Amino acid sequence: GQNIDQPTEMTATEGAIVQINCTYQTSGFNGLFWYQQHAGEAPTFLSYNVLDGLEEKGRFSSFLSRSKGYSYLLLKELQMKDSASYLCAVNQAGTALIFGKGTTLSVSS
Amino acid sequence: EAQVTQNPRYLITVTGKKLTVTCSQNMNHEYMSWYRQDPGLGLRQIYYSMNVEVTDKGDVPEGYKVSRKEKRNFPLILESPSPNQTSLYFCASSPFRGEGNYGYTFGSGTRLTVV
Repeated sequence: GQNIDQPTEMTATEGAIVQINCTYQTSGFNGLFWYQQHAGEAPTFLSYNVLDGLEEKGRFSSFLSRSKGYSYLLLKELQMKDSASYLCAVNQAGTALIFGKGTTLSVSS
Repeated sequence: EAQVTQNPRYLITVTGKKLTVTCSQNMNHEYMSWYRQDPGLGLRQIYYSMNVEVTDKGDVPEGYKVSRKEKRNFPLILESPSPNQTSLYFCASSPFRGEGNYGYTFGSGTRLTVV
């Protein structure tokens, strides 16, 4: 079976750091993606992890532990424009990207 | 500009009236996929295609058809739409099954309402 879990909602203030967790159980694993989606818009690619460890890209970092089936997305120096849904997606080997239900992040001033 | 183009962006239709949502990509991607997105359920895959004339079912294929006669186009067909197919639909493409540091490129979405 396949299951991807992430918190439904999170709130934070401008300038803060927030960590969005994702746990997964899939039959076959071929990489994990994080996407950002603003309301009513298409998801846009943020990061990709296939090996254990931390990938840093500007204000955003993503971490993966394959043995624990766990990933997190770290957002630093939060800005109002970071208010969006963040989608964790696992590449299930041989088929497709399986998405979690998404975490809605609200950033307040 | 590299992109995935979906049409229409918005559509209101009546139950039972056949419709097609078009999807076209200009990146020569092999892999294309259709998702629907519903509140509380996230993105769920309907169908995918790994290449021309190769299509397969995703998690929620009932009530939908697809075809892949050309590499660039992957239309989604609803032969007899029903109200439970009211949703936000996304087409996506990737060089190959989303593997590697490519991810998917998504179209802008089609908001379908079936009354």
